[in-house]
Amino acid sequence: GDSVTQMEGPVTLSEEAFLTINCTYTATGYPSLFWYVQYPGEGLQLLLKATKADDKGSNKGFEATYRKETTSFHLEKGSVQVSDSAVYFCALSPASNTGKLIFGQGTTLQVKP
Amino acid sequence: DAGVIQSPRHEVTEMGQEVTLRCKPISGHNSLFWYRQTMMRGLELLIYFNNNVPIDDSGMPEDRFSAKMPNASFSTLKIQPSEPRDSAVYFCASTTTGLYNEQFFGPGTRLTVL
Repeated sequence: GDSVTQMEGPVTLSEEAFLTINCTYTATGYPSLFWYVQYPGEGLQLLLKATKADDKGSNKGFEATYRKETTSFHLEKGSVQVSDSAVYFCALSPASNTGKLIFGQGTTLQVKP
Repeated sequence: DAGVIQSPRHEVTEMGQEVTLRCKPISGHNSLFWYRQTMMRGLELLIYFNNNVPIDDSGMPEDRFSAKMPNASFSTLKIQPSEPRDSAVYFCASTTTGLYNEQFFGPGTRLTVL
């Protein structure tokens, strides 16, 4: 079945460092891909999305490109801030479009001043 | 736009008691999801509804858990009887199928069973 695999955390970076969180997926057809972010004590919120191959999603300085050839959707940010400390979830929506999302296990990012 | 509303935000109860969690999805959304999040197991999908009909409840841990959606604007997740291992944060999310399935999450209910 469809699945999402994220790099294990926690990831600890200094402020202004470059961030990459790896995400790979297994799916039939052409799923949509998402990154969600969860700040401490809050629910998940959509960070960015890409709905077809080679699309680049971007928001708040974060970017991810839908790579079908490598089945990947890695999250990147050029310069992280302390306020980016959160848990990041990669997710896919199967091509069957049932509304259901398949989530990765989440990666905790901690940014130190 | 009020977003997804969950109540209560925090619930502390004793083992054996009945617990009811409530969710109001975003108006116009036709799909609703209940998730559970723990440190050990991460984020788990418990059940989801399309147009008020349960579609997949394979994630419901056992018969002590039940969920209903009597109308498009309200859903409940009930645990009876509750056990300490049910302690978790329970999230409700809603979406409109066809919107590339972007789900909108509520703030969650933190349940503690003593």
